Amino acid sequence: KQEVTQIPAALSVPEGENLVLNCSFTDSAIYNLQWFRQDPGKGLTSLLLIQSSQREQTSGRLNASLDKSSGRSTLYIAASQPGDSATYLCAVGGKAAGNKLTFGGGTRVLVKP
Amino acid sequence: SAVISQKPSRDICQRGTSLTIQCQVDSQVTMMFWYRQQPGQSLTLIATANQGSEATYESGFVIDKFPISRPNLTFSTLTVSNMSPEDSSIYLCSVVAELRDTQYFGPGTRLTVL
Repeated sequence: KQEVTQIPAALSVPEGENLVLNCSFTDSAIYNLQWFRQDPGKGLTSLLLIQSSQREQTSGRLNASLDKSSGRSTLYIAASQPGDSATYLCAVGGKAAGNKLTFGGGTRVLVKP
Repeated sequence: SAVISQKPSRDICQRGTSLTIQCQVDSQVTMMFWYRQQPGQSLTLIATANQGSEATYESGFVIDKFPISRPNLTFSTLTVSNMSPEDSSIYLCSVVAELRDTQYFGPGTRLTVL
């Protein structure tokens, strides 16, 4: 059974600092890995999707890497802003699970002005 | 990307009653899923809504408690039956257009059971 872990559970940084969010998973037989953002009381916004054959994806200030062999992904957010404050969720789409997602517990980020 | 709407956005219900949540997508999609997010927790998959056939439930979730319909490729409903306070959660539907594609989520339905 796939297990997804996100460390740290919470993170507080001053504005302008780079953010590094970690995600690890136990079963490397995945279709893809997706990073989401969730604001309090809201739904999920998809940030980046990395296919299992890819090593990284970039969108603006966001960069996500994937090391399938070691079961790890990292989301980098450059030059953080107060508007980046949210919970970030990592989710793995498993081959055996027909693309159903297994979620990590999330990292709650606070960017202080 | 897919645009997903859910109704209602929130509701407060009495113990023992049932609530049906609707999920509408603006395009035909291959897969639709229902998730639950309990207070302070991450998301847990309830079931896969299959078009024209019975939903596929994850361990710990049963059809009698969470009946699901999917009459076509753009619409699905989830019913939370015989509710108790433990059912207070955010319920989210999600869709995938094609296998391996980005999964998109609806805005969620915030349910409070008194």
